[in-house]
Amino acid sequence: DSGVTQTPKHLITATGQRVTLRCSPRSGDLSVYWYQQSLDQGLQFLIQYYNGEERAKGNILERFSAQQFPDLHSELNLSSLELGDSALYFCASSSTGHNTGELFFGEGSRLTVL
Amino acid sequence: TQLLEQSPQFLSIQEGENLTVYCNSSSVFSSLQWYRQEPGEGPVLLVTVVTGGEVKKLKRLTFQFGDARKDSSLHITAAQPGDTGLYLCAGGVRDSNYQLIWGAGTKLIIKP
Repeated sequence: DSGVTQTPKHLITATGQRVTLRCSPRSGDLSVYWYQQSLDQGLQFLIQYYNGEERAKGNILERFSAQQFPDLHSELNLSSLELGDSALYFCASSSTGHNTGELFFGEGSRLTVL
Repeated sequence: TQLLEQSPQFLSIQEGENLTVYCNSSSVFSSLQWYRQEPGEGPVLLVTVVTGGEVKKLKRLTFQFGDARKDSSLHITAAQPGDTGLYLCAGGVRDSNYQLIWGAGTKLIIKP
């Protein structure tokens, strides 16, 4: 158990819809990362927050947005969903915002867009 | 654009055999991490290497960071079915925007 909690674990929705994925980081971790992983592929970095503020942005589509709340949990909003958005979405947390710190990953949210 | 290339992309071998997975780049990394991801789960950190030429061992797994800090390898001795998974390397770039650069992964299957 990494200590990172993601909900929901599975989500099936239709094209054009909007979904929200939720992440609670490990206790005490200030940094939250969101990644997308398509079938048997590596991780695509989407966005990072540190203590409520956006720190780094990766290949995140304009249809996607995220935020980190004062209690440090984070939400990833995906709108105008397309078939190609079907993937595993991982949240990871870290005690530091730097790239040498260990990332602790949740179990992921599997999104299926029909 | 900084890239980390992993090879092979896929490897299926018998239990007891040895194998090596490579992670290569033209960029210099301040650190390099190896993660293992099992089906249905998130990646879990195996090791972080930070010094050129560094070698770390984790039971039957040996990790090496290249002298120039541009490449790394993971060697597994006497592979076991429990080693099955997706192995991911991730490099930290000193002047990057705080993010890690990820390889595409090596899918490893160890057959009993």
